[in-house]
Amino acid sequence: GQQLNQSPQSMFIQEGEDVSMNCTSSSIFNTWLWYKQDPGEGPVLLIALYKAGELTSNGRLTAQFGITRKDSFLNISASIPSDVGIYFCAGLNRDDKIIFGKGTRLHILP
Amino acid sequence: DGGITQSPKYLFRKEGQNVTLSCEQNLNHDAMYWYRQDPGQGLRLIYYSQIVNDFQKGDIAEGYSVSREKKESFPLTVTSAQKNPTAFYLCASSTLWGGTSLSSYNEQFFGPGTRLTVL
Repeated sequence: GQQLNQSPQSMFIQEGEDVSMNCTSSSIFNTWLWYKQDPGEGPVLLIALYKAGELTSNGRLTAQFGITRKDSFLNISASIPSDVGIYFCAGLNRDDKIIFGKGTRLHILP
Repeated sequence: DGGITQSPKYLFRKEGQNVTLSCEQNLNHDAMYWYRQDPGQGLRLIYYSQIVNDFQKGDIAEGYSVSREKKESFPLTVTSAQKNPTAFYLCASSTLWGGTSLSSYNEQFFGPGTRLTVL
């Protein structure tokens, strides 16, 4: 079946650093989504992308829908302690089914 | 406040027992979903329901059962046939089934999850 390869699996950064993570697939997706999950909670939608090449920002977060429709990246600028959590990419295929990546776990060092 | 609730937060069961996880939403959403999350894994779809009295198998339905008798409720039963039931279970709902409507995403809103441990 369709799979999303999300990298890196985990990141350890200093507060204030910028963060970059990405998601790739061998399949085309019509919509890319980025979710964040806090420990012990359900994921919350951060950004939705609908068109190839689209670049969207939400505060310190910026995400792009790749031109090939097979990839997406998420950047977080000037990280703060509350950015800790797991970030999931997800893609909607042509059957309107959501496929989730395995997540990038973000740790912020004191 | 509108939202999705799941209970209990933590659940322990003995091997061979069936257990039912609760999911309730007051968002007036038609579609509801159950996902399973294992450490280091993405979310995998167990079952979904597009509308009351209808539900469909997801990618990993074996060993699970659901019902959708009311719009606001979508309980999941983990049966003794599920070989590896220890996991974090997430319920979600959306306005409509399907990913997009009028070029916008039918956002799935997630509950806080239930962590099931089989002893």
